[in-house]
Amino acid sequence: QQQVKQSPQSLIVQKGGISIINCAYENTAFDYFPWYQQFPGKGPALLIAIRPDVSEKKEGRFTISFNKSAKQFSLHIMDSQPGDSATYFCAARKAGGFQKLVFGTGTRLLVSP
Amino acid sequence: NAGVTQTPKFRVLKTGQSMTLLCAQDMNHEYMYWYRQDPGMGLRLIHYSVGEGTTAKGEVPDGYNVSRLKKQNFLLGLESAAPSQTSVYFCASSYSIKVGDQPQHFGDGTRLSIL
Repeated sequence: QQQVKQSPQSLIVQKGGISIINCAYENTAFDYFPWYQQFPGKGPALLIAIRPDVSEKKEGRFTISFNKSAKQFSLHIMDSQPGDSATYFCAARKAGGFQKLVFGTGTRLLVSP
Repeated sequence: NAGVTQTPKFRVLKTGQSMTLLCAQDMNHEYMYWYRQDPGMGLRLIHYSVGEGTTAKGEVPDGYNVSRLKKQNFLLGLESAAPSQTSVYFCASSYSIKVGDQPQHFGDGTRLSIL
């Protein structure tokens, strides 16, 4: 049972375009929603995170949009660059859960030059 | 500052063999985690620890054991390896929830193949 559903599985975007990755959840006990970025041969690293009391958070070219009523959140990468080519994971943390995360299945992003 | 270090980086085992994966962190983090990553399944939590001497089961604990005898180390053991345990294993660590929203810091993984 996948607690956090992520789509698409893979994505190809042209350089300069907008990359959009979506996640959905069911458990209303989740209180923190991070996105992790993983390059080949490396471990995931935190990219950006949001709490459900905020509808949007922006850090540079990366933006999280959060829709609490729909239980959905998404990552937008503006002006996508070849260096953004990586696998992206959304995740969710239960309140009181010792920082434990439930991860989505990942999206492999390829930004073509 | 090394962060989270995992050893070994690669290993091939035969079915039934045992081995231990070592994770070491130098950030004085309270919490440590072991995940496995399989294609199309994301990262799944195997076991975790919220402090020295304490461990707890995660989402997929069967076939694995862990120990945290020292705060900086978290060991993952496979007692009798099975082909289904072929995976990439990641260790992570983080500050306590008492510090607020904190990221997990990951090592670069151990690629384990079981024949």
